[in-house]
Amino acid sequence: DVKVTQSSRYLVKRTGEKVFLECVQDMDHENMFWYRQDPGLGLRLIYFSYDVKMKEKGDIPEGYSVSREKKERFSLILESASTNQTSMYLCASGTGGGGDEKLFFGSGTQLSVL
Amino acid sequence: GQQLNQSPQSMFIQEGEDVSMNCTSSSIFNTWLWYKQDPGEGPVLLIALYKAGELTSNGRLTAQFGITRKDSFLNISASIPSDVGIYFCAGQTWSSSNTGKLIFGQGTTLQVKP
Repeated sequence: DVKVTQSSRYLVKRTGEKVFLECVQDMDHENMFWYRQDPGLGLRLIYFSYDVKMKEKGDIPEGYSVSREKKERFSLILESASTNQTSMYLCASGTGGGGDEKLFFGSGTQLSVL
Repeated sequence: GQQLNQSPQSMFIQEGEDVSMNCTSSSIFNTWLWYKQDPGEGPVLLIALYKAGELTSNGRLTAQFGITRKDSFLNISASIPSDVGIYFCAGQTWSSSNTGKLIFGQGTTLQVKP
């Protein structure tokens, strides 16, 4: 079974702190994604990556950056956390392309910014 | 950008009842996917649809790819308490610039009363 592991289930940070959310997948997938989930808004794509050291902006990249130094690891960085970044963050990986992307998700990190 | 409208937003039903939910889009998709998110977990893929008019089943779940390619439907028959969760539709178009990117609906929260 594909396993996508997110380093923390719950995280509480203060406004202005730099926050790192880590994600590791064990199936050698090329593609990795970061989404945030908010009630009534579904899943919104923040950043994604198709290869090591490669990144592309999703639909809501403002206030975030990412790092992919190794194929299995994709990190989401909040440079200066703000209260409106309180949310559930979901990491996903997949191998698809050409219209056959099936994502495998981690269990999520619930981030609270105070 | 592309948006998906998923309805209903929430449902509270009696065990044994059938459930229907749907997703509509203003633009065409080539692939429709349905995910379920159990409480405290990440979404898990239920059904994938690749062709207009396609009808696919997975146990008590049946999903259809709309003829217009702008909508999809998910039905759950004879609901049971473990059907509780959030159901997401997701659509994808086939183009090199969109490879791997899924657009998610807002989610349908299902509660089942024993």
